Amino acid sequence: QVQLQESGPGLVKPSETLSLTCAVSGFSISSNYYWGWIRQPPGKGLEWIGSFFHGRGTYYNPSLKSRVTILQDTSKNHLSLKLSSVTAADTAVYYCVALNFYVVFWGQGTMVTVSS
Amino acid sequence: QSALTQPRSVSGSPGQSVTISCTGTSSDVGGYDYVSWYQQHPDKAPRVMIYDVTKRPSGVPDRFSGSRSGSTASLTISGLKAEDEADYYCSSYAGSYTWVFGGGTKLTVL
Repeated sequence: QVQLQESGPGLVKPSETLSLTCAVSGFSISSNYYWGWIRQPPGKGLEWIGSFFHGRGTYYNPSLKSRVTILQDTSKNHLSLKLSSVTAADTAVYYCVALNFYVVFWGQGTMVTVSS
Repeated sequence: QSALTQPRSVSGSPGQSVTISCTGTSSDVGGYDYVSWYQQHPDKAPRVMIYDVTKRPSGVPDRFSGSRSGSTASLTISGLKAEDEADYYCSSYAGSYTWVFGGGTKLTVL
């Protein structure tokens, strides 16, 4: 059974960098799926942030591209998200996901609040 | 890359059918056979209900069906049940390994 578990600080100060990690079990991030992140601000809709396919490349939402980095660590079978220069608009539940042109697997999500 | 357009809310009585629309462009919904629909109950992660426009994952009741005409996709739920009350989101592949979501539709079962 595939499990995705997000972790990281629940509170980040404005202008700082948000950093999250997703530990994947039951499947290798080196194969088959696009692995990435989706977020959902409180009371709002879903937004795709970015994804990678091992060996092919990493792709980002154009609206976030200048601030986002998604990294993969195949030795630990996990991926990470870094979002720089955060503002209150980045407050959201962040989901780690596996996609095959649709989201096949979701993590439980982790709430990140941007506030001083 | 703009968000797909969904109605903010729809409603229906138990046993009735409802349809939720999702309008995009020829660069996303109308251009690829990769439209998907997700159900989200409060404080839960979304769950895929339809993928590749019309396909239903195992475990999803056949009361849920998907279709598309041009750049508008639709999710139809027949034989409404109280448990269907949730938020529904559409999504489409938008080319160059990017994805776009709709703003979400709140389904109320009266």
